[in-house]
Amino acid sequence: EAGVAQSPRYKIIEKRQSVAFWCNPISGHATLYWYQQILGQGPKLLIQFQNNGVVDDSQLPKDRFSAERLKGVDSTLKIQPAKLEDSAVYLCASSPKRGLYNEQFFGPGTRLTVL
Amino acid sequence: GIQVEQSPPDLILQEGANSTLRCNFSDSVNNLQWFHQNPWGQLINLFYIPSGTKQNGRLSATTVATERYSLLYISSSQTTDSGVYFCAVVLKADSWGKLQFGAGTQVVVTP
Repeated sequence: EAGVAQSPRYKIIEKRQSVAFWCNPISGHATLYWYQQILGQGPKLLIQFQNNGVVDDSQLPKDRFSAERLKGVDSTLKIQPAKLEDSAVYLCASSPKRGLYNEQFFGPGTRLTVL
Repeated sequence: GIQVEQSPPDLILQEGANSTLRCNFSDSVNNLQWFHQNPWGQLINLFYIPSGTKQNGRLSATTVATERYSLLYISSSQTTDSGVYFCAVVLKADSWGKLQFGAGTQVVVTP
């Protein structure tokens, strides 16, 4: 069974530019998560989708970050405009249903550097 | 909010040594996972262990939910065990199941 796929693996941009990340969850997984991991810290949730609906985006900086999961399968996370403090690894995860009693599986991440 | 505290923050081991990593959490949880983050940044699932004891090869884990802690045991450590080990929990009060991570334990295994 294929794991969670993410692209690109690395991205370097100038501040104020825009960037987009893509995630394809494990086949059949209804719940998709985007986490941000700043160097030296544990990952923190940005947004959670249940099928194609947002169920938690309380930690998403909505003035610059947006995300969508239009057909309930793959998802895109966008940053516009980027700031220096957005330099981090962006991790996508999925679980079969809500994560209450379900194991979450992570993709390889996208390492973003904002110069 | 919930606190997830991992100890020790750093651990240096000689190959072949055994070690114990600890995760304390401040509220009741529905879900607890242990991950190994390798040098390339990939989070690898080690255990899904909201309660009880599990073993997988040289690794084992125990969660005592009533006392709000979990332990990860590494036996006969190898250099490939190096990396950061994270504990992450889902609060009972969280309807949607987001994971909340500790700060991790950085493990270095020397030959």
